[in-house]
Parts: sequence; C-alpha cells; structure tokens
Amino acid sequence: AQSVTQPDIHITVSEGASLELRCNYSYGATPYLFWYVQSPGQGLQLLLKYFSGDTLVQGIKGFEAEFKRSQSSFNLRKPSVHWSDAAEYFCALEGAGSYQLTFGKGTKLSVIP
Amino acid sequence: DVKVTQSSRYLVKRTGEKVFLECVQDMDHENMFWYRQDPGLGLRLIYFSYDVKMKEKGDIPEGYSVSREKKERFSLILESASTNQTSMYLCASSLPGQGPNQPQHFGDGTRLSIL
Repeated sequence: AQSVTQPDIHITVSEGASLELRCNYSYGATPYLFWYVQSPGQGLQLLLKYFSGDTLVQGIKGFEAEFKRSQSSFNLRKPSVHWSDAAEYFCALEGAGSYQLTFGKGTKLSVIP
Repeated sequence: DVKVTQSSRYLVKRTGEKVFLECVQDMDHENMFWYRQDPGLGLRLIYFSYDVKMKEKGDIPEGYSVSREKKERFSLILESASTNQTSMYLCASSLPGQGPNQPQHFGDGTRLSIL
C-alpha cells in the first residue's frame, strides 16, 4: 500500500526566513509526486510535480522540491518566505497504473511579519 | 487556465435529506474526482470517473453515490445525509493518463453542514 507522511502539522516561520516542509512516502517503485497549496477557503493549487530525471524541481511562487530516493523524501523548500505564503501545504503521490492521488495530512504554515 | 466550478461554496442541509453537490469543468477533461477534506485527515477520495457514465469507488464511498451524464459535469449525491458527512468537499479534474503531465485541477470546495 502507498502512503504519504507529512511529519509537521504546523510550522511557524518569520517573514524572510527560509522554509522546508517535509514529506516522506512509502511506495514500491518511483512514484509521481506533487506538492499542492491551499489558501484559506480555497481549493488546492498545484505548486510543482516530479516524475523522473532531475531530482530538484522548480515550481511556482519561488518554491522548489528535492526528490531523494534513498530517504523516500520529497521536501519542499523556499529560500525566503513571504506573508502571502501562509497556507496549508499538501504532498501527494500517484502510483504507476493508478489515477488515484494519495495525500499527506497537510502542514499548516504560519508566517510572522 | 482550467476552471473547475463547484455550484455552492456553503451548504446547510438536514439529516436524512438527499443532497446533490455539483461540479463542472470547462477543459474537456476525461477524469473527474470527488474528495472530502477533514482537519487532521487530509483529503480522501470518495469516487472518481474516467469517462461519461463510468465511475470507480475511492477510499470512502460509503453513504455516497455519483452521476456523470455529461463529460463536463460530475455530481456527488448523499443519499440520506448524516451529521458525520459534515465536511469540505473538493472536486477535481484531469486529462486522461497519469503522472505529472496530467495533474489534477481543483475547485474551490463546498463546505457542507448537516444539522
């Protein structure tokens, strides 16, 4: 069975500080991996995606994520956080042969001015 | 840009009512999905459809049904609403195939309260 774990339920950072949100997955092969962001009262917006190739992927809004097969991780990073980045972030996995996304439980990001 | 529209942002219904949640997408996507989102549980897939009149159960289909009579519209039906179905419901759509080239696009959600 496939699963996604986001170990941090809530993270608070100061504006301008760097950010890393953790995501670990369990899957028998290389999965397709995604990060989505959800602003309050809104749906999910795709930040970035990984399939194969370069393990460092760039997304929108200045975010990037690094795939590490040895650690089964796909952590999201941003060098300098803006107040508008306050939202909930979801890591998701899609296995080969499946249309179904398996989501982590999310990490809520708060930004201190 | 892909537009996934959910007919209601907020909905209040009573226990035992039959409830319809509507979702429309404007990008001719074959795949459509219904999720529910609960605090601390993330998103869980209720049903999905990969073609008109086709449907597949997700992880938590009990108490729900779906209808897809037209490609652009996917309806979620609560046959007899119960208080434990109070939740945020999210609809998504995608092109056929898998993986990052066919990501799911989400609507803004319907917050449903069952009294």
